Amino acid sequence: DIQMTQSPSSLSASVGDRVTITCQASQDISNYLNWYQQKPGKAPKLLISYASNLETGVPSRFSGSGSGTGFTFTISSLQPEDIATYYCQQYGNLPRTFGQGTRLEIK
Amino acid sequence: QVQLQESGPGLVKPSQTLSLTCTVSGGSISSGSYYWSWIRQPAGKGLEWIGRVSSSGSTNYNPSLKSRVTISVDTSKNQFSLKLSSVTAADTAVFYCARERFPLFDYWGQGTLVTVSS
Repeated sequence: DIQMTQSPSSLSASVGDRVTITCQASQDISNYLNWYQQKPGKAPKLLISYASNLETGVPSRFSGSGSGTGFTFTISSLQPEDIATYYCQQYGNLPRTFGQGTRLEIK
Repeated sequence: QVQLQESGPGLVKPSQTLSLTCTVSGGSISSGSYYWSWIRQPAGKGLEWIGRVSSSGSTNYNPSLKSRVTISVDTSKNQFSLKLSSVTAADTAVFYCARERFPLFDYWGQGTLVTVSS
């Protein structure tokens, strides 16, 4: 299995801050890396595919980068509605695997 | 707009078989190059992919669960199903069904909580 190591596991930031989450794959997955946002009691929502492709309707303050084994997810200016848990997910191999999640809180 | 809805018992006894169904609406389960997946999430924990089925019935399972999992599809009902046998308390989780459109999960059900308890 490809292990996805996400950090940090939790993060507290202020409105307007720049927030960065990293995800490390245990082997090369090219750019087959997705980012999801999950709010309490809800299903995950796809934000970014192919490591950097912003899904339609997703605010431009969200972005992603990276390839191979190292990936970064950034919120350029944190908004109150961004409070959620964020997961990376690899699509390079079966089984599909997710990072352990980053819980984002407002300071 | 494609929608997925999980259904099934919310309480299962230990050692029994958990059975869930996902009903797809807003599109045919047979159209397009999709796989139909099950993903679970224990309370307060991360997401675990259980497995998937194609509209033709081809399956792939997570090796960690493979011995206990069966996923099947019923195209006539636009549904796919999950069976997880010999459940224990460790299988208590919210179970999601989702559509896989390479290389991502684009549509998800709302999730259903299944508790394993006597």
